[in-house]
Amino acid sequence: RKEVEQDPGPFNVPEGATVAFNCTYSNSASQSFFWYRQDCRKEPKLLMSVYSSGNEDGRFTAQLNRASQYISLLIRDSKLSDSATYLCVVNEGNKLVFGAGTILRVKS
Amino acid sequence: NAGVMQNPRHLVRRRGQEARLRCSPMKGHSHVYWYRQLPEEGLKFMVYLQKENIIDESGMPKERFSAEFPKEGPSILRIQQVVRGDSAAYFCASSPSGPGHYGYTFGSGTRLTVV
Repeated sequence: RKEVEQDPGPFNVPEGATVAFNCTYSNSASQSFFWYRQDCRKEPKLLMSVYSSGNEDGRFTAQLNRASQYISLLIRDSKLSDSATYLCVVNEGNKLVFGAGTILRVKS
Repeated sequence: NAGVMQNPRHLVRRRGQEARLRCSPMKGHSHVYWYRQLPEEGLKFMVYLQKENIIDESGMPKERFSAEFPKEGPSILRIQQVVRGDSAAYFCASSPSGPGHYGYTFGSGTRLTVV
């Protein structure tokens, strides 16, 4: 089983749509969780940390379910500029482990 | 405040040559991580270093690859006798403390092409 699993997509959505990505992780001892975004041929950039209580940053909401080892990212009112690959990231000991990413394409 | 600086941005090597990739962490960051991203794949952890110490090299191939982070100067990822399969994007990241709460800040990467 992969350490971090994501649906690769692509998710093709119209502008203004709400879209949700899910991620599962295998190590129940993991303590830190993040979502990153990566644009084509660029470096990953931290989008937001994920906390057990859930957290929101503008149009983005992240949730963590430790019992199910499940992380989600919700994007409301999608913009063309949201088109990217979204990476689910979990710490494992001395390193952060990255999922393979979910591709989002927002179309006008 | 400059971010994580990697150079070169693009590197072309012939099979059998050596590749040296450099990474200067953000100011105040003493923890450096190297990741590799093969075409159409996710980022794979290679090595975690602090100044003069390798903390975790569990993701490094057993042969031809080495990394260092000297007391002075940038971190170096060295690949000896490169092969076509080494062609990838190599990203360096840094953090102010260990890989826990803060996530990482990544550099722009070095794209290695082996011909």
